Formats: sequence, C-alpha cells, structure tokens
Amino acid sequence: GNSVTQMEGPVTLSEEAFLTINCTYTATGYPSLFWYVQYPGEGLQLLLKATKADDKGSNKGFEATYRKETTSFHLEKGSVQVSDSAVYFCALSYYRTGDKVIFGPGTSLSVIP
Amino acid sequence: NAGVMQNPRHLVRRRGQEARLRCSPMKGHSHVYWYRQLPEEGLKFMVYLQKENIIDESGMPKERFSAEFPKEGPSILRIQQVVRGDSAAYFCASSPPSGTSTDTQYFGPGTRLTVL
Repeated sequence: GNSVTQMEGPVTLSEEAFLTINCTYTATGYPSLFWYVQYPGEGLQLLLKATKADDKGSNKGFEATYRKETTSFHLEKGSVQVSDSAVYFCALSYYRTGDKVIFGPGTSLSVIP
Repeated sequence: NAGVMQNPRHLVRRRGQEARLRCSPMKGHSHVYWYRQLPEEGLKFMVYLQKENIIDESGMPKERFSAEFPKEGPSILRIQQVVRGDSAAYFCASSPPSGTSTDTQYFGPGTRLTVL
C-alpha cells in the first residue's frame, strides 16, 4: 500500500543552521506530495506542495523537490529560526478530490537561539 | 475567507459519556475528512464525507464511532461510550468540489479530546 517515511526526530538545531528533513514515499502512479507543519498546540498548516516529478514547492524559505527516481521529497531550509520550531509532516495524496492524505509519522524540530 | 472551523477546541469527557465534535468546512468546500492523531503517533485517516453521504469510512473504528455531514450545518464526529484510548486530537479537513483543480486538503485547528 501507499506509505510515507520520514527521518526520526527530534531534531535540534542552532539558529541559522541548515535544515534537511528526509522524506521518502511508496505509492503507485503519480501522487501529489505535501509538507504540513504543526506548531505547538495548533492544527496543521500546509507548508508547500508539488504535484509532479521535478516540481519544486517553496514557502517561507522552505523548499522541497519531487524526485520520482528516488521517490523522495526532502524538506530543506537554508537558515532556520526559533520560530520554525514545530512538527513537520510529509504527506501524499492523489490528484483527485476525495483521496485520503497519507501522512508520515512527523519530525519534531527544535531551534535553539 | 474563514478557514476550517472546529469546536470545541478542547473536550473533556468521563469514560462512558458521549463526545460530539463539530467541523465547519471552508466556504465553498463540499468535502470533509476526519483524521485522528493519537499521542506519539502520526495522523490517521478516519472518514471522508460529502453532503449527506459517507464516501469512505475505511479508517473508522467499527464500533462507537459515527460521522455525518448533513445538508445544513457542520459535520459531526460522534463517539459513544468513550474510553481512555479515545483520547487524541481529532482534525477535520475540507476540500473543494470534484472537478476543481486542487487536490489540497485544508485542516482545522483540531479538537483535543481527553477521556478521564
């Protein structure tokens, strides 16, 4: 079946460090890929998405590229801030309304000053 | 345009009571999804509804859980005779009608259910 795997956390970084959170998926066909972020005590927010191979999603300094050949969608940011501390979820869904979103387990990020 | 709204944000119930969670989708959205986030686990799909229809309930526990999305009013997730293992965050998401060009689901802030 379809699934999403993420690197295990928690991840602790100093402010201005480079961030990579690895994400790989198993799916048939061509799903859309997403990163959602959950700040402490809040719900999920869509961070970025990509709908086809080689697409790059980007938002708030974060970016991820849809790599069909390696079935990956790694999240990167060049310089993290304390305000980026949150749990990040990689996810996939299919390009039609009604398909459930399949989430990875989440990666907790803490950024220290 | 208001986002997905859920209430209550926090709900405390004693074992055996009923819990009713409400979700109002974004304006113009006719598809609603419920997900559950258990402690130390990721989000798992529960049920997908359109107005007055359950489309996919493959993630719903077989007993005590039910969901509806009436023609008027919010979607309701109902848990009867709650047990401690039901303690979790329940998230609702919505998406536009079929035929539109988006596959993205937008999530509400969640309802955190605590069963004493």
